[in-house]
Amino acid sequence: DTGVSQDPRHKITKRGQNVTFRCDPISEHNRLYWYRQTLGQGPEFLTYFQNEAQLEKSRLLSDRFSAERPKGSFSTLEIQRTEQGDSAMYLCASIREGELFFGEGSRLTVL
Amino acid sequence: GDSVTQMEGPVTLSEEAFLTINCTYTATGYPSLFWYVQYPGEGLQLLLKATKADDKGSNKGFEATYRKETTSFHLEKGSVQVSDSAVYFCALTLSGGYNKLIFGAGTRLAVHP
Repeated sequence: DTGVSQDPRHKITKRGQNVTFRCDPISEHNRLYWYRQTLGQGPEFLTYFQNEAQLEKSRLLSDRFSAERPKGSFSTLEIQRTEQGDSAMYLCASIREGELFFGEGSRLTVL
Repeated sequence: GDSVTQMEGPVTLSEEAFLTINCTYTATGYPSLFWYVQYPGEGLQLLLKATKADDKGSNKGFEATYRKETTSFHLEKGSVQVSDSAVYFCALTLSGGYNKLIFGAGTRLAVHP
């Protein structure tokens, strides 16, 4: 499969725990995006990387959230001290010729 | 701020019916406009796009025309199929904005035989 892959697809955790999601973009794509989608809403932009540089962060990304792309390939999104309001689908996308290609997402449920 | 507004769903149609999903936008500058589709259990996929006023995007029988005067990008299809059942998202990007997409809330379409 040569699309964007995300792992895990589903994560159930207890409030206060830390979680980490991984995104592997399409191999030749140097731009990578994270979005969050809650039920009944469209995806909301979280952050953007060009290679390993994080160039933009949304105000939605509180200090409990951190994203990295250390070698300019895969990326991780970590949420510390999870809250019930963090329950959502976390989407990753990479870009080619102006078109974003999305992964299937990582669904987080915080109990 | 920049935003996209879509008609609320769900939209329920019979097979072969005509589809319109309304989308309007607010943006500074000159956005590019997109329709994305999310089939059950799958990731978001680009359906069509238009990058300037009066452009018409089309794909798989769907069409949308970029109307600057009404700030709209309505999605249409002349004859829907059951396989078109999905959630449809209208979105925009701004020039110089790292291709960051701003999405509408989505409209769920259910097509019945």
